Amino acid sequence: AQSVTQLDSQVPVFEEAPVELRCNYSSSVSVYLFWYVQYPNQGLQLLLKYLSGSTLVKGINGFEAEFNKSQTSFHLRKPSVHISDTAEYFCAVSGSSGSARQLTFGSGTQLTVLP
Amino acid sequence: ETGVTQSPTHLIKTRGQQVTLRCSSQSGHNTVSWYQQALGQGPQFIFQYYREEENGRGNFPPRFSGLQFPNYSSELNVNALELDDSALYLCASSLVGSSYGYTFGSGTRLTVV
Repeated sequence: AQSVTQLDSQVPVFEEAPVELRCNYSSSVSVYLFWYVQYPNQGLQLLLKYLSGSTLVKGINGFEAEFNKSQTSFHLRKPSVHISDTAEYFCAVSGSSGSARQLTFGSGTQLTVLP
Repeated sequence: ETGVTQSPTHLIKTRGQQVTLRCSSQSGHNTVSWYQQALGQGPQFIFQYYREEENGRGNFPPRFSGLQFPNYSSELNVNALELDDSALYLCASSLVGSSYGYTFGSGTRLTVV
């Protein structure tokens, strides 16, 4: 079984400032890791994913995340945020083997970018 | 390339009724999963279908059931609706053996009164 903890439920930040959204996971097996973004009244959009290889993963909209196996973390970062980045962000994990690779999500972090 | 489409977008049902939600997978995808997202929470896995058979299920009672059709579209059925079933229901499709990524639909907002 896997679990995901998003350490901050709300993160306010000023426009053009850097931001980090924290995510820790637990699992007894090898995992894949994901970050999704959800805008109001919409579904989930994939920002980036870690499957294997380089631990620094770059995604869409200038976001990146670093997989740290020893700390079981997968924090999301952006060097300069925009008003349009205001949304709910979800970290998710799945097992890396088998056909039933369901996603286990964290409870989400609401990022609010202030002018 | 079409995305994942869900219908209806919104639905209001009375406690005890039954509901069917529908999902059309992204073109070329052969796996579909359903998630329940209660207000203020992350999505929770309900079940997954591959080759028209359920091949994974989360911690949901049997009154939650599903179907996958030969064209990879899918239905989620919920019987004996309870107030706590009020949520956003998300459908996600993927292709087994691909670089692995789920494409999510915009969801169906179900309100049980």
